Amino acid sequence: SYELTQPPSVSVSPGQTAKITCSGDALPQKYAYWYQQKSGQAPVLVIFEDYKRPSGIPERFSGSTSGTMATFTISGAQVEDEGDYYCYSTNPTGTQGVFGGGTKLTVL
Amino acid sequence: EVQLVESGGGSVQPGGSRRLSCAASEFIFSNYWMSWVRQAPGKGLEWVANIKEDGSETNYVDSVKGRFTISRDNAKNSLYLQMYSLRAEDTAVYYCARVKKAVHIDSWGQGTLVTVSS
Repeated sequence: SYELTQPPSVSVSPGQTAKITCSGDALPQKYAYWYQQKSGQAPVLVIFEDYKRPSGIPERFSGSTSGTMATFTISGAQVEDEGDYYCYSTNPTGTQGVFGGGTKLTVL
Repeated sequence: EVQLVESGGGSVQPGGSRRLSCAASEFIFSNYWMSWVRQAPGKGLEWVANIKEDGSETNYVDSVKGRFTISRDNAKNSLYLQMYSLRAEDTAVYYCARVKKAVHIDSWGQGTLVTVSS
């Protein structure tokens, strides 16, 4: 079955740039999406269609893709950005959704 | 604001069944694909199933095919997940979710916990 691969954890100091990668063979053909999940809460969409930000999402959040890799970037990470981040896409046939394993972001 | 409220969670024995419901409001339910996503305790998100606007198409993750059935009642603005032959590994918080452009989730419920244990 199709998989998306993320690093388990990323750690940065406040104000630094945090980058989370997501690797998947179908990403050149399928959009990547990113979700933020804070402890005990439902996920929130932070990036859609590779790089677009939903309304209300801070401008410091951005997304990009290159080949089979999608990257989520926080420029000037803040303590409140701590949480788990998941990439999401669909399998090559578009019939199933797939989440990456998640990346725990620590800002301290 | 989109409202999605799940219900039906609880404890069930291995091999048992459970039906989850999701009440949707504040949007035109019949215009959207819908999904179920689950999260085992301390683990990541797992996409489970989705269903087309009119219910004519459904898709499932391989691990639940033949055991789970997603359905909807557009007249009642409701989404369902009927689960059979439950296993310990099905223990999770189950989220109801609205799907945008038939692809990605843009709104989530708060989830309902299903625990499969003897």
